[in-house]
Order: sequence, then C-alpha cells, then structure tokens
Amino acid sequence: EIVMTQSPATLSVSPGERATLSCRASQSVSSNLAWYQQKPGQAPRLLIYDAFTRAAGIPARFSGSGSGTEFTLTISSLQSEDFAVYYCQQYKIWYTFGQGTKLEIK
Amino acid sequence: QLQLQESGPGLVKPSVTLSLTCTVSGGSVSSSMSYWDWIRQPPGKGLEWIGTISYSGSTSYNASLKSRVTMSVDTSKNQFSLRLTSVTAADTAVYYCARGLHYGMDVWGQGTTVTVSS
Repeated sequence: EIVMTQSPATLSVSPGERATLSCRASQSVSSNLAWYQQKPGQAPRLLIYDAFTRAAGIPARFSGSGSGTEFTLTISSLQSEDFAVYYCQQYKIWYTFGQGTKLEIK
Repeated sequence: QLQLQESGPGLVKPSVTLSLTCTVSGGSVSSSMSYWDWIRQPPGKGLEWIGTISYSGSTSYNASLKSRVTMSVDTSKNQFSLRLTSVTAADTAVYYCARGLHYGMDVWGQGTTVTVSS
C-alpha cells in the first residue's frame, strides 16, 4: 500500500497570505496525485488532479506542483472560504489519502 | 449535471451486514468513462477508500476491508451499492459515494452517517 503523509497537520495563515501544504508518498506515484478540499459537514471537493491540473471551476489561486514522491498545494492569497481541511490522494495504485492538513485562520 | 445520493440505515447493530445504495442522477451508471467508488470517514478522522466498481461490474477493494466488502451495480435503477459484513463500532463513519475518473473523484454524494451500536 502506498502511504501518503501530509504536513503540517495544522497550518495557521492570515487571510491574503500564501499557504503551502505538503504531501509525500511512500513510493513514486508519478503525477497521479489529486488534492481535495473539505469543509465541515460537506463532502470533499476535487481541486487539483494529475499533480497540477485545476479541476473545473477551481480558482487560479490554487496551484499544485511536484512529481514522484513530493507534492505541494499552494494557495496564493487566502480567502475566507479557503479555510478548510485539505487532503492529497494518490491514484497510481488504486487510492490512498493523506491524513489531511487543517488550514486555519491566524 | 451529475448528482449522487447515498441512502441506507443510520443505525445498525454490531455483527450485522450494512447495506448502502448510491443513486445516480443526471448521468448513467453505465457510462464506460466512469468508475463508482465508496469512501468513508470516521468521526473526526480522514478519508478511507473502500472500493470501486465499474459499469460492467468489475470491482476492486481496499485490502484492509476486502474480506467484508461487496459492491454491485444495478443499471436498471441507475444505482450502485455497498455491502459490509460483520460491522463493529470501528465501521461507524460518514459513507460517501463518488464518481471516479482516471484522475480522481470529481463528483461526490453528500454522505450518509452510519452508526454501529447496540
């Protein structure tokens, strides 16, 4: 099983600032990496797939990078609606999710 | 616009079999472009993939649950289903159905809460 590890567990950032979230895979997943956003009481929403491609309707302030085992989700200028939990997911070999990063208001 | 809706019992007793259904609207479960997934989320915890079924009925399951999981698709009702046997308190979670594409899960149901308790 491919294990996905996200860091940090919690990230405190002020609105308008940049947030950088990390995800590491236990073995190479090439670019088979997605990012999801989940708000309380809601289902996850697909943000990024293939490591850097934004899903339909996702604002340009969300960007993904990386390949192999190291990946990053960057939110360039945080809006109030961006404070949520973010999960990475590999789909190289079926699916596994990271444990999540909670992005909170500083 | 594709929409998914989970349904099933909110409360089940330990050791019984849990059955959940996902109804697909605005699209077809028979689409050859789509796979159909179940994912769960225990209270306050992260996401766990349970399994995937294709329109043709081919399945793949999470190895940790494989001995207890069965998924099926009913094209006549435009639904797919999950059966989880011998449930325990550890199976208490919000259960989501989702559409899987080759690049992740792009459409999700709202989720249904399942509590395992006597």
